[in-house]
Amino acid sequence: DGGITQSPKYLFRKEGQNVTLSCEQNLNHDAMYWYRQDPGQGLRLIYYSQIVNDFQKGDIAEGYSVSREKKESFPLTVTSAQKNPTAFYLCASRTGQGNYNEQFFGPGTRLTVL
Amino acid sequence: KNQVEQSPQSLIILEGKNCTLQCNYTVSPFSNLRWYKQDTGRGPVSLTIMTFSENTKSNGRYTATLDADTKQSSLHITASQLSDSASYICVVYAGNNRKLIWGLGTSLAVNP
Repeated sequence: DGGITQSPKYLFRKEGQNVTLSCEQNLNHDAMYWYRQDPGQGLRLIYYSQIVNDFQKGDIAEGYSVSREKKESFPLTVTSAQKNPTAFYLCASRTGQGNYNEQFFGPGTRLTVL
Repeated sequence: KNQVEQSPQSLIILEGKNCTLQCNYTVSPFSNLRWYKQDTGRGPVSLTIMTFSENTKSNGRYTATLDADTKQSSLHITASQLSDSASYICVVYAGNNRKLIWGLGTSLAVNP
């Protein structure tokens, strides 16, 4: 898991509630990413940030929001607008420039909506 | 359409045996291909990253091959151990839109 931490490991939420997942890295990486993983599907990109105070939507951004106020931190908020939020959420950060683009992943947060 | 397909979907082998996992891709333009190992309930960990000019790359008991002409890659695991039980995911980096195209993974179980 390198120097990327995610908390909490397990999270339970009632329908209609917003919830924020934490992601912190001490690798001095500029870029950070949020993915969602569901059974039988490949990882899907939610949001990514190349630098502080800037972020871009990924393939499935609807119902999610992010902020990047510090280089080390990239929290993800799952809003009540997300229709099917139960999933395994993975945060990653990137080293290197150009096409090499190796990503290091955190341990993940499993979100369950009750 | 950019796609990464992996086979088999799942595999069971006995400890000490070798195995080979396959990855076919239709990603263009190709930039690099990587193999990740993901233990259950954990984040993926990179095993290898290969550019189009690299045919073979090893990481301990893991050896990846790449044939950029046929757009195929394989991951060979030698002398398997119980700790090799995991999902192995093939990922291709598309250079034009700078996207990672993820396969669904091969679930490997190593039994004693």
